[in-house]
Amino acid sequence: EIVLTQSPGNLSLSPGERATLSCRASESVSNNYLAWYQQKPGQAPRLLIHGASSRATGIPDRFSGSGSGTDFTLTISRLEPEDFAVYYCHQYGSSSRFGQGTKLEIK
Amino acid sequence: EVQMVESGGGLVQPGGSLRLSCAASGFTFSDYYIEWVRQAPGKGLEWVGRTRNQANSYATEYAASVKGRFSMSRDDSKNSVYLQMNSLKTEDTAVYYCARLLWRAPLDYWGQGTLVTVSS
Repeated sequence: EIVLTQSPGNLSLSPGERATLSCRASESVSNNYLAWYQQKPGQAPRLLIHGASSRATGIPDRFSGSGSGTDFTLTISRLEPEDFAVYYCHQYGSSSRFGQGTKLEIK
Repeated sequence: EVQMVESGGGLVQPGGSLRLSCAASGFTFSDYYIEWVRQAPGKGLEWVGRTRNQANSYATEYAASVKGRFSMSRDDSKNSVYLQMNSLKTEDTAVYYCARLLWRAPLDYWGQGTLVTVSS
């Protein structure tokens, strides 16, 4: 069973700054079936990235994903006020697992 | 427009049962797998289970934490999936989301969730 570990647990940044979120898997993620979701309070998660690096429909290009195997990164190039939220990585395919989340807060 | 709407949540005593429904619209429901994901208050996302489509014999899979207590079913004629939850524990308290996916694809549309509270 794959375990996904996200770091940091909390990240405090200012609008306009660059955010780098990490997701490390306990074993290689098959076919890079790794997604990232954004969740705001009281809302369902929203798909941002799939296949490790492909943006979902309608997602701004300031969001980018990279990585392969066991190490994955979500980068937000220039933070907008609406980007402050919790972010989860998700391994999908033959099984389904979530990381514990990274809370991105306004500094 | 793709929509997924959960219902059936509420307050139940430990050891009790509850049946959640997930009604979908706006897409060819029978093509899709459906997963349930839950989120305890103030906590992260936890995968609960999955039901595959007819082409894959409606096979189901469950997280270890709910296996033997929860069961999923679907009715493609009603574009609906059901989560039967038995022997509920206080640790099952959470918002339960349903979400759709195609095989080897991520969860791309989610419902807004329904709250289940297990308490005496």
